[in-house]
Amino acid sequence: AQSVAQPEDQVNVAEGNPLTVKCTYSVSGNPYLFWYVQYPNRGLQFLLKYITGDNLVKGSYGFEAEFNKSQTSFHLKKPSALVSDSALYFCAVRDDNFNKFYFGSGTKLNVKP
Amino acid sequence: NAGVTQTPKFQVLKTGQSMTLQCAQDMNHNSMYWYRQDPGMGLRLIYYSASEGTTDKGEVPNGYNVSRLNKREFSLRLESAAPSQTSVYFCASLSGELFFGEGSRLTVL
Repeated sequence: AQSVAQPEDQVNVAEGNPLTVKCTYSVSGNPYLFWYVQYPNRGLQFLLKYITGDNLVKGSYGFEAEFNKSQTSFHLKKPSALVSDSALYFCAVRDDNFNKFYFGSGTKLNVKP
Repeated sequence: NAGVTQTPKFQVLKTGQSMTLQCAQDMNHNSMYWYRQDPGMGLRLIYYSASEGTTDKGEVPNGYNVSRLNKREFSLRLESAAPSQTSVYFCASLSGELFFGEGSRLTVL
């Protein structure tokens, strides 16, 4: 069965500092991994995905994610956080057999000025 | 291009009432989904439709029914609402990644 874990409910970081939001996964077969962001009272927006290829994936708004097969992790990163990055972030894995997505519980990112 | 449109955005029901959440996408996607979002639980899949004319249960289908009316529209029905169905509901469609609507906030008293 596919599953995703986001071990941190909340991450606090100062503006200008690097940020990391953690995600680990469990899949049978090839992992298809995604990050989404949700701003208050809005739907989820796609940030980036890993399907195959380079382990470092670049996405929207300066975010990137590192796929690590041995550690079954797909951590979201950004070199320099902005206050406007404050939001709820979800990691997800896609079951390619059925085109179903499984989401983590979400991590609230707080970036303080 | 509207993307995924959900109606209504807000609804308050009494226990036992019924209602239908509407979803439409204008991106010609085959697959559509209904999720519910509850604090600390992320998004849980209620039902999905891989293509027009097909629907399948997700993780939490009890108390819900769906209809894939055509390729554009995928509705979610609560036949007899319960307080446990108080949640934010999201519709999504798939093309490589999921495209989400803005959500429907439902409160069942």
